[in-house]
This record gives sequence, C-alpha cells and structure tokens, in this order.
Amino acid sequence: GESVGLHLPTLSVQEGDNSIINCAYSNSASDYFIWYKQESGKGPQFIIDIRSNMDKRQGQRVTVLLNKTVKHLSLQIAATQPGDSAVYFCAESPTQGGSEKLVFGKGTKLTVNP
Amino acid sequence: GAGVSQTPSNKVTEKGKYVELRCDPISGHTALYWYRQSLGQGPEFLIYFQGTGAADDSGLPNDRFFAVRPEGSVSTLKIQRTERGDSAVYLCASSRQRARNEQFFGPGTRLTVL
Repeated sequence: GESVGLHLPTLSVQEGDNSIINCAYSNSASDYFIWYKQESGKGPQFIIDIRSNMDKRQGQRVTVLLNKTVKHLSLQIAATQPGDSAVYFCAESPTQGGSEKLVFGKGTKLTVNP
Repeated sequence: GAGVSQTPSNKVTEKGKYVELRCDPISGHTALYWYRQSLGQGPEFLIYFQGTGAADDSGLPNDRFFAVRPEGSVSTLKIQRTERGDSAVYLCASSRQRARNEQFFGPGTRLTVL
C-alpha cells in the first residue's frame, strides 16, 4: 500500500494572489467530490462540491475543476485572504455498495502571508 | 442554527479502559457518519448510519469498536479495551438524506490513550 507521512504538502501564497490546490483521487467509480477546509482544532468545513457529470463548478471566490480522464481535482481560490489559511482536503464518494462514505485525500496546508 | 455537536471535546483515558463518545447531529438529518483523524492525516471513515441502522460499518478497525444510534438521532461510538493506537480525533458528521448530500462535521472529540 501507499506509505503515508506526517508532513502535509504545503502551499504558501501572498495575500491577494490566487491559489490552486490539487488532488489526485483513486476510484474511477466515484461520482461525487467535495473540498473541505479544516482549521486547527476544528472539524472539516464544506467549501464546494461537484458531481461527475460536470467538469467545473464555481462558488464565491472558489472554483472546482474535475478531470475524470486523469482522476484529478483542483480547487482554485481567488484573491486569497489570511482567513483562508487552513488545511484543505479533497474527498470522493465511491458509488459501490450504496454507502455514502467519503474517502479523504491527504490534505494540503495553505498559508497566506499578509 | 445548531450544528453537529460532540461530547466530550477531549477525553484522556488509560490503556485497557472503555470509552464512549457522543454525537448530536443536526436536527432532521437522517444520515450520520463517524470518522477518525490521526495527526497529519485526512479523516478516515468508520461507520455510516441511515436512521437507526448501520448501513456501512466497513471502516470499523476491529471488534473493540462499536456504534449505536437507537432512536435515529444521537449516536454513541464505543471503544472497548482502548489501546494507545486508538488515540486520534473522532469526528462525527450528518447529512439530510442519501444521494450525495453535503456532510456537516462536528468539532470532534480528541481521544488520548495513555
């Protein structure tokens, strides 16, 4: 199996810049994907979701792109603010078995410098 | 409105002891999930309830772990004969129904087994 380390991928940006966080998912049968933001000491907070019949979805300051061919998901944050500093997780929902469980990626730590 | 709440927020116990962790989902949410998050990792699925029944318990690591939701609302995660490796943050989430709805997470219970 894949080894998992304690060091998260990190991304450091300047306030006002755009941020792009990438995620590779594993299950080609997954049909629902979500991005979560997690601040220290808190539970994950929903940012945006996308279903497999779409390749792009926009929210407020955020855009999610889905490339099913290469099983890649990205989160774009426009005009990044210090309050965006957190760990970001992508999650996929496999369709098998009827379960609604989410399978989370490893996370990316975003640091926004003022 | 009230979000998902979890009690206690922190639990310190000794190896071999029994612990119970409680989750109060958002009112009206029929689906409830338990996840476990180790330091530096994404949440890992444990069990999913639809109403009172466990629809998917494939993530429970062994028979020391058990969860109930007797009235289809509050859920309790029970861990027998705790081990040091059980130390983690235990997260609860709820959602309105099946069919790929957003999961709302609670703040988690940090369990430390000495």
